[in-house]
Amino acid sequence: QQQVKQSPQSLIVQKGGISIINCAYENTAFDYFPWYQQFPGKGPALLIAIRPDVSEKKEGRFTISFNKSAKQFSLHIMDSQPGDSATYFCAARGTQGGSEKLVFGKGTKLTVNP
Amino acid sequence: KAGVTQTPRYLIKTRGQQVTLSCSPISGHRSVSWYQQTPGQGLQFLFEYFSETQRNKGNFPGRFSGRQFSNSRSEMNVSTLELGDSALYLCASMVGSYNEQFFGPGTRLTVL
Repeated sequence: QQQVKQSPQSLIVQKGGISIINCAYENTAFDYFPWYQQFPGKGPALLIAIRPDVSEKKEGRFTISFNKSAKQFSLHIMDSQPGDSATYFCAARGTQGGSEKLVFGKGTKLTVNP
Repeated sequence: KAGVTQTPRYLIKTRGQQVTLSCSPISGHRSVSWYQQTPGQGLQFLFEYFSETQRNKGNFPGRFSGRQFSNSRSEMNVSTLELGDSALYLCASMVGSYNEQFFGPGTRLTVL
């Protein structure tokens, strides 16, 4: 079964600190790894994504690090701000039964204290 | 460009009833996916429709069904509701492949 394991479940960081969320996967056929950000009362929104041929991707304060051999990828939020407080989901795209599917981690609730 | 819209936003039902949720994708998007979000299980894929055909299906019982209309709008139906069906149901649309999915705000279903 295709799975993506995400940790930690919750994370509390002080303003200005670095938030790190980790994900691990099993299926080596996954070919696209997005991160979604969800605020209360809203649907998830694509934050940043990476493909397995790249080891790192940075967009502003958000960076994805990808380790293909370890089958792990992580989201780093630099200079974390209270406005970053949200739930973050990692995901992986794979093919099952001839159709593409996104498999999500269970989410990390991030709280950034002022 | 308008985003993905879902109606209703909140719904309260009792066990045994059935419910229909609606999703209007972003204009031009032909794929609509449905997810169930719960605190314990996170986001779980229900099914995906593309050009009125179910293209993919998750591991949910047959009580969960859906359809897509010619204008790409989609509906999801849950019959014989159970307490465990209480969740946020999210709809997402995309043009074709999973390069970027746009989610709606969800429908919060409470089963009493």
